[in-house]
Amino acid sequence: QQQVKQSPQSLIVQKGGIPIINCAYENTAFDYFPWYQQFPGKGPALLIAIRPDVSEKKEGRFTISFNKSAKQFSLHIMDSQPGDSATYFCAALTSGSRLTFGEGTQLTVNP
Amino acid sequence: KAGVTQTPRYLIKTRGQQVTLSCSPISGHRSVSWYQQTPGQGLQFLFEYFSETQRNKGNFPGRFSGRQFSNSRSEMNVSTLELGDSALYLCASSLGSGVTGELFFGEGSRLTVL
Repeated sequence: QQQVKQSPQSLIVQKGGIPIINCAYENTAFDYFPWYQQFPGKGPALLIAIRPDVSEKKEGRFTISFNKSAKQFSLHIMDSQPGDSATYFCAALTSGSRLTFGEGTQLTVNP
Repeated sequence: KAGVTQTPRYLIKTRGQQVTLSCSPISGHRSVSWYQQTPGQGLQFLFEYFSETQRNKGNFPGRFSGRQFSNSRSEMNVSTLELGDSALYLCASSLGSGVTGELFFGEGSRLTVL
């Protein structure tokens, strides 16, 4: 009930490509869905987030698509760059600061 | 604005010892939460403190404990260390009141248990 399932586990794209990372959840009490980017040796950094009353949110090259009925949400990275190579985590929040994280996706953007 | 500061960044302990990790949240943030990150289990919630009170707790044994001080700084303690406690321990801060959700993480304390 508390799980967030993330796929794929790893993803390799060419520079300029549009990697898509998908997440699915079960708990309908989740009301905030952030994405975090983590570089080796660093803590996760908040990238973009969405609430379930919105179907899409765009910030720069990053877009979240949210499908409330399917209980799924995804991250799209437009015009990906080698500097975007990192591990991406989706997460979901019900109350306070208790985030439930997906398993993570290791993204590699080749030059 | 300074970010979340965690100390120490790296430490090595042996089984049976105890360890204390420290976290200074972003100025003005009153909520501090702790997460454990391992390759096998990913990111898992340990506990959250708000205004010096534990507000939420994850599924970890009682060996894991924490506290928050009046200046919002937080510490977590792990007693009787086990090999499986080797992990990156991350602290996150947020405003903590109302519906916010924006958590900002520190760079973590990497604990190795030998």
